Amino acid sequence: DAGVIQSPRHEVTEMGQEVTLRCKPISGHDYLFWYRQTMMRGLELLIYFNNNVPIDDSGMPEDRFSAKMPNASFSTLKIQPSEPRDSAVYFCASSFRNRMNTEAFFGQGTRLTVV
Amino acid sequence: AQSVTQLGSHVSVSEGALVLLRCNYSSSVPPYLFWYVQYPNQGLQLLLKYTTGATLVKGINGFEAEFKKSETSFHLTKPSAHMSDAAEYFCAVKGSGYSTLTFGKGTMLLVSP
Repeated sequence: DAGVIQSPRHEVTEMGQEVTLRCKPISGHDYLFWYRQTMMRGLELLIYFNNNVPIDDSGMPEDRFSAKMPNASFSTLKIQPSEPRDSAVYFCASSFRNRMNTEAFFGQGTRLTVV
Repeated sequence: AQSVTQLGSHVSVSEGALVLLRCNYSSSVPPYLFWYVQYPNQGLQLLLKYTTGATLVKGINGFEAEFKKSETSFHLTKPSAHMSDAAEYFCAVKGSGYSTLTFGKGTMLLVSP
């Protein structure tokens, strides 16, 4: 398997623009997670899905952030409008069944810079 | 609730020296513990995990970690550091069924020749 695939790898956008990050989980995995990584706050869970259904979005910082999973092989994280403080690395991860002993597999991340 | 504390945001060692990265956890239920490694401009890769059974867990690249319940610790060690070990290391915990991973802030390992 190719692993979790994220696109784009790098995104530079101007403040106020809409940004869409994309993720393809590992085939057969039924859980998908979106994380944000910053120097100040480390790795934060934003939202996660089970079988394409959002389970917990309590980590989404503001209404400017939204996430969808229209099918088992694709998810998006959208920021509209973007702000400089949204600059971070965004990771998508997936796992199978999310049992206690199962780890999450991470993509390579999207580095977002909002200027 | 669960949390992880990694002592030291940066650790420097010489090539060939012992690597020790510290992780302490807090969990209201028996924890499941994980160590991930992140190389520059890469995603996180699992090094090892403790679920049940033997408290000394061996992982990839010669790393190992020992779960010590009495000390609420899960420190990561490697007997001899290689230059290729330079990366950021994250400790993570799952504290209840079907929960998500909670990560520490990470420790950057620097290896000098």
